[in-house]
Amino acid sequence: AQSVTQLGSHVSVSEGALVLLRCNYSSSVPPYLFWYVQYPNQGLQLLLKYTSAATLVKGINGFEAEFKKSETSFHLTKPSAHMSDAAEYFCAVSEGGNTDKLIFGTGTRLQVFP
Amino acid sequence: DAGVIQSPRHEVTEMGQEVTLRCKPISGHDYLFWYRQTMMRGLELLIYFNNNVPIDDSGMPEDRFSAKMPNASFSTLKIQPSEPRDSAVYFCASSFVGRAGHTEAFFGQGTRLTVV
Repeated sequence: AQSVTQLGSHVSVSEGALVLLRCNYSSSVPPYLFWYVQYPNQGLQLLLKYTSAATLVKGINGFEAEFKKSETSFHLTKPSAHMSDAAEYFCAVSEGGNTDKLIFGTGTRLQVFP
Repeated sequence: DAGVIQSPRHEVTEMGQEVTLRCKPISGHDYLFWYRQTMMRGLELLIYFNNNVPIDDSGMPEDRFSAKMPNASFSTLKIQPSEPRDSAVYFCASSFVGRAGHTEAFFGQGTRLTVV
């Protein structure tokens, strides 16, 4: 069965600093991988997704993630944090292709300090 | 499209009462998911449907929970009787399988349930 592990439930950065949110996956088949963002009292919104094409995926709001099969990782990065990036971020995996269920990690809360 | 629509946004009920949460998926989507989010357990998949048929309900915590999808545009999640530990935010999401395979799931705004 597939699963994801997000290292660090809380990450704090200064405005303008690099954002790095870690995600490692486990899957018996080539995975599809996703990053979602959740703002307070809101649903989840897709940031980006990897579906077996380019390993470096660019998403909305300046975020990107790189699929590294050798490390079973899909870390999320952004070169320069903005105050508006403060939110909870979820990594998710599905089994790709005609997959169905999406399994989420436990989330990482990002705080951005001025 | 207005996106996935959930109602109500907030529900407060007394222990022992029946609670029904509602979801309208995005038109044309053939998968519908119910998730529960709590501080302790994060996001848990409760059940999902494909073409209105339940495919996997292994995440439904107890027999007190039931879900139906009578047609392609409507689903309900019912808890009877409700208990304080059911307090959580319940999300509905939908997706479809296109030519490139499965799309990502699109989420509703959630229903915040409080059982007192």
